Amino acid sequence: EDKVVQSPLSLVVHEGDTVTLNCSYEVTNFRSLLWYKQEKKAPTFLFMLTSSGIEKKSGRLSSILDKKELFSILNITATQTGDSAIYLCAVSAGGTSYGKLTFGQGTILTVHP
Amino acid sequence: EADIYQTPRYLVIGTGKKITLECSQTMGHDKMYWYQQDPGMELHLIHYSYGVNSTEKGDLSSESTVSRIRTEHFPLTLESARPSHTSQYLCASEKRDRGITEAFFGQGTRLTVV
Repeated sequence: EDKVVQSPLSLVVHEGDTVTLNCSYEVTNFRSLLWYKQEKKAPTFLFMLTSSGIEKKSGRLSSILDKKELFSILNITATQTGDSAIYLCAVSAGGTSYGKLTFGQGTILTVHP
Repeated sequence: EADIYQTPRYLVIGTGKKITLECSQTMGHDKMYWYQQDPGMELHLIHYSYGVNSTEKGDLSSESTVSRIRTEHFPLTLESARPSHTSQYLCASEKRDRGITEAFFGQGTRLTVV
């Protein structure tokens, strides 16, 4: 059974801090890894990673994938209160489970002023 | 913003009632998914579809059923609601463009069965 594990489960920081969120996975026929941000509404897409070692960057957020060690990290620098959310990691499978997303349990990030 | 819609947003219903949660997308996506998410917990895939007349059960066993008669519409039905069905239900559709895959989520339906 495909499995995605995120850590830490929750994190409390102050504005300006840098955080690193972790995602490890065990998936048959790995296709891609996706990061989502979920606030009160539904998850919104952040990044999709398919290749090892290539950093994806968007503003203060960046992410990288290690397909050998089967994990990804999401970095947020100079955190702001608006970054408070649940960050979800998901892995997309290929083969007979083509396109099926398996989500981790999420990391709840709280940024205090 | 993605064009995927779920109705109702909130629903409180009595035990034993039949309910249908609606999900529609206007993007022409073939792949659609239903996830169940309890507060503070991960998303669990309960149903998915690769296109019209295609439906599959997901990883989490669910007493719900789905249908896919039209590309844009993927309703989820509970024949007899129970308190254990209380949860948030999220619908998603998938887009692939130049090798990039992205799932778009609806706003979710928060279901409470009393």
